[in-house]
Amino acid sequence: GAGVSQSPRYKVAKRGQDVALRCDPISGHVSLFWYQQALGQGPEFLTYFQNEAQLDKSGLPSDRFFAERPEGSVSTLKIQRTQQEDSAVYLCASSLATGTRGNTEAFFGQGTRLTVV
Amino acid sequence: GDSVTQMEGPVTLSEEAFLTINCTYTATGYPSLFWYVQYPGEGLQLLLKATKADDKGSNKGFEATYRKETTSFHLEKGSVQVSDSAVYFCALPDYNNNDMRFGAGTRLTVKP
Repeated sequence: GAGVSQSPRYKVAKRGQDVALRCDPISGHVSLFWYQQALGQGPEFLTYFQNEAQLDKSGLPSDRFFAERPEGSVSTLKIQRTQQEDSAVYLCASSLATGTRGNTEAFFGQGTRLTVV
Repeated sequence: GDSVTQMEGPVTLSEEAFLTINCTYTATGYPSLFWYVQYPGEGLQLLLKATKADDKGSNKGFEATYRKETTSFHLEKGSVQVSDSAVYFCALPDYNNNDMRFGAGTRLTVKP
């Protein structure tokens, strides 16, 4: 597609519910990143894929968070047993370069706003 | 680890005013530095970048110069427009990891 697409744009979940957030990166982009952006804050890194390999998951806040990119394209971020502190905007970005040290632009999706009630 | 610190907002200016948003960084080595912009309801977009010391990144009338001596990358624009109203993020790639480190963001509102 023309850009990074995320769905749904908005998600309201009851506490304890599992959610799945989808990211369609730009076709051909090797790198895919997930970020969490709390209200009034900058994005915080969650995890990074190079093709289908999850090379860095150091930013995932707990074992309730799980991400996959099985075919090296679409990625899904899953949050199990959601809690109120999980409420945030979840951003996906993709890039042609491997990692960020290639200093190549990362393209961001519009994000999914998750509200846990 | 590597990080950026940017001035807190919000910033409110009148149209055609001069804009400065301060950003300083702490980094291992000399990474590229970035400014991203987030317009209302949209994702982050790269505004400009500089890849080495003394480089000046520029785009849409915005400029930022990579200052090694002051570890700064301040964003400037000589004459802001209402359409520049957005949140601006300073960022750099972390030396040890595969992630981009962002500042907290500065919300700019430009009034006509």
